[in-house]
Amino acid sequence: AQSVAQPEDQVNVAEGNPLTVKCTYSVSGNPYLFWYVQYPNRGLQFLLKYITGDNLVKGSYGFEAEFNKSQTSFHLKKPSALVSDSALYFCAVRDIDGGFKTIFGAGTRLFVKA
Amino acid sequence: EAQVTQNPRYLITVTGKKLTVTCSQNMNHEYMSWYRQDPGLGLRQIYYSMNVEVTDKGDVPEGYKVSRKEKRNFPLILESPSPNQTSLYFCASSLYGASGRITYEQYFGPGTRLTVT
Repeated sequence: AQSVAQPEDQVNVAEGNPLTVKCTYSVSGNPYLFWYVQYPNRGLQFLLKYITGDNLVKGSYGFEAEFNKSQTSFHLKKPSALVSDSALYFCAVRDIDGGFKTIFGAGTRLFVKA
Repeated sequence: EAQVTQNPRYLITVTGKKLTVTCSQNMNHEYMSWYRQDPGLGLRQIYYSMNVEVTDKGDVPEGYKVSRKEKRNFPLILESPSPNQTSLYFCASSLYGASGRITYEQYFGPGTRLTVT
């Protein structure tokens, strides 16, 4: 069965410092991986995805993520955090050969302090 | 403007009173899906649809129904709501990839906050 783990409920970082939001996944086949962000009282917005190719993917707002097949991880990173990055972040996985379901992690709340 | 719309945005109802939450997208997407968001549980998929008249269960389908009679609309029906269906609901849509696999990201509606008393 597919699953996604976001081991940290909350991540705190100072503005200007690098940030990492962790995600590990489990699928029976090859994964499609996604990161979404949710701002207060809003729907989810797409940040970036890994489908195939280069393991380092770049997305919106300066975010990037690295696909690591051996560690089954897809951590979200940003070199320099902004206060405006404070939000709820979700990792999601889709099994390429497992149908059309999408599994989301429980979410990680990011607080960036000025 | 490309968007997914949901109505109503907020709904308070009583146990057992049938309700429908509408979802519409204007992007000609084949794939549509419903999720519920609960604290500590993230988003859980209720139902999804690959195209008109093609639907399938997600991970938490009990107590819900859906229909896909038109490509743009994907309503969520609660025939007899119960308090454990109190949640924040999101509709989403996406394109298929060229291979028939869903490689594209999902576009989400603004959410519907449902309270069942």
